[in-house]
Amino acid sequence: GAVVSQHPSWVICKSGTSVKIECRSLDFQATTMFWYRQFPKQSLMLMATSNEGSKATYEQGVEKDKFLINHASLTLSTLTVTSAHPEDSSFYICSAPKHRGTDTQYFGPGTRLTVL
Amino acid sequence: SQQGEEDPQALSIQEGENATMNCSYKTSINNLQWYRQNSGRGLVHLILIRSNEREKHSGRLRVTLDTSKKSSSLLITASRAADTASYFCATDPREAGSYQLTFGKGTKLSVIP
Repeated sequence: GAVVSQHPSWVICKSGTSVKIECRSLDFQATTMFWYRQFPKQSLMLMATSNEGSKATYEQGVEKDKFLINHASLTLSTLTVTSAHPEDSSFYICSAPKHRGTDTQYFGPGTRLTVL
Repeated sequence: SQQGEEDPQALSIQEGENATMNCSYKTSINNLQWYRQNSGRGLVHLILIRSNEREKHSGRLRVTLDTSKKSSSLLITASRAADTASYFCATDPREAGSYQLTFGKGTKLSVIP
């Protein structure tokens, strides 16, 4: 099956620093990737749609200057949490559909961000 | 915004019993998907059922979809301790090429050996 990886799997940082999370599709090209965040014991909330070669589309309430998304290649999307604060601590998960026209998405293993 | 609503929120059963989880949604869909998440891990796709399908099977999984009631159920038969996880339904909107999924709140299943 298709594989999506994320790096790092966990990160601890100080308040005010920026953290970059990578999402890679390992065996397929992904023109679109999705970024979700998940608070403890809650569901996944879509943050933004990452589009290769163009600007990301953010969901209502998600600050685009806070969560910078770059989809520079067909296999890599990055999410940078800028000037992180403790309330940004969460589990961040990316996903990608393998082919256009298919419905199944493949999810990365997630990145646990803890901001002290 | 959340569309899917699963119930129960938590379910605890003995190994060997069947587990049934339900999901309701609000808008028209192209398909509905069920995912599993082990604690602190990513999501694993379990099964997809399209809006024109009523029932689908995959191994010990059985999914039903009632578009008139905007609801779906996931049945896991002969449960095993390894089935312990959170289960989420996710709806794919009717818009072509959207790919965006809206997740429900999930059901936390505990299978006691």
